[in-house]
Amino acid sequence: QKEVEQDPGPLSVPEGAIVSLNCTYSNSAFQYFMWYRQYSRKGPELLMYTYSSGNKEDGRFTAQVDKSSKYISLFIRDSQPSDSATYLCAMKRGSYIPTFGRGTSLIVHP
Amino acid sequence: KAGVTQTPRYLIKTRGQQVTLSCSPISGHRSVSWYQQTPGQGLQFLFEYFSETQRNKGNFPGRFSGRQFSNSRSEMNVSTLELGDSALYLCASSPRDSVYEQYFGPGTRLTVT
Repeated sequence: QKEVEQDPGPLSVPEGAIVSLNCTYSNSAFQYFMWYRQYSRKGPELLMYTYSSGNKEDGRFTAQVDKSSKYISLFIRDSQPSDSATYLCAMKRGSYIPTFGRGTSLIVHP
Repeated sequence: KAGVTQTPRYLIKTRGQQVTLSCSPISGHRSVSWYQQTPGQGLQFLFEYFSETQRNKGNFPGRFSGRQFSNSRSEMNVSTLELGDSALYLCASSPRDSVYEQYFGPGTRLTVT
């Protein structure tokens, strides 16, 4: 079993939809949870990071961490075609290197 | 503030050759990490440098090496290239030594023929 699991998709939604992207993990020691967005032929861009459990909101994006279920989510409200990209989750504990999910490809069609 | 820069952006090499990739972190960032990204394996950690010292190393063969200079710029070298080394090589810098907040460069696309 991989330490971090993420459905590769693609996830195709109409413009304006609420998107839910998810990752599950097995290591309960993870403390930091990050979401990156990667456009084609570009490097990943840090969207949000949270420490421990709870929710964090930034504009149309909400990150949610449920440590009891070892499950994290990224919600995108009012999705736009410009949100079409691959979304990677990443997790980290202490000074250890981060562990990345394989990424979910999101397509928002007009 | 300028972002992370990587040079060259594209590279084509022949099997058996060696290659050196360069990364300039965001000004003030002292931690630099390198990753290999392929469609099959996703993002895999190569190594991390902080203040010219290698702090972490991923599970890659010794053909992969790196270093960091006093100005925080970093280079990675791959010797005796193999076809499987074809990938996007990403550099990321961090403003703190905890590396939970990373900012990636655009990557160097290496093709080995």
